[in-house]
Amino acid sequence: QKEVEQNSGPLSVPEGAIASLNCTYSDRGSQSFFWYRQYSGKSPELIMSIYSNGDKEDGRFTAQLNKASQYVSLLIRDSQPSDSATYLCAVQESGGSNYKLTFGKGTLLTVNP
Amino acid sequence: KAGVTQTPRYLIKTRGQQVTLSCSPISGHRSVSWYQQTPGQGLQFLFEYFSETQRNKGNFPGRFSGRQFSNSRSEMNVSTLELGDSALYLCASLDSGSAGTQYFGPGTRLTVL
Repeated sequence: QKEVEQNSGPLSVPEGAIASLNCTYSDRGSQSFFWYRQYSGKSPELIMSIYSNGDKEDGRFTAQLNKASQYVSLLIRDSQPSDSATYLCAVQESGGSNYKLTFGKGTLLTVNP
Repeated sequence: KAGVTQTPRYLIKTRGQQVTLSCSPISGHRSVSWYQQTPGQGLQFLFEYFSETQRNKGNFPGRFSGRQFSNSRSEMNVSTLELGDSALYLCASLDSGSAGTQYFGPGTRLTVL
């Protein structure tokens, strides 16, 4: 059973701080990794994708991947109250045309004004 | 480009009934995946269709089925509904040209009474 683990939170940070969200996965052969944001009552929205070891930055968001440690993280700089949501880590299974995503249970982030 | 559309947005059914949900992917995307989201189990993969063929299937009973049409629109069907089928059903449109990045529709909220 391939698993993706996230701290459920809630993670509470003050406005302007850095929020750090973490994720580990069990399938060593996984190749593609995604972070989604989900507001209450809404569907998941793609924030970042990462495929290679290292950091990938997009605006206030930085995704970090370490395949040797089977670890993915998302940093949100200058956190805003509008960032308050559940963040879902998703791992795409390896191999050919297998695009199934396995999701963690999500981390609830609250940014306090 | 228009996003992923799902209809209906809300459904209320009773146990034993069946239901059909519809999804239209982003124009040009040929693959559609379906996921079930519940508070207890999180987001779980149901199945994926590409060019009218089921390419992958998750661990759900045979009451859950789907199909895809030549215009890439997809439907999923749940027969003999159970209370535990109450969930948010999400359709994702897959961009195979972008390492399988998946974009979610707004979802269909199914309540089984």
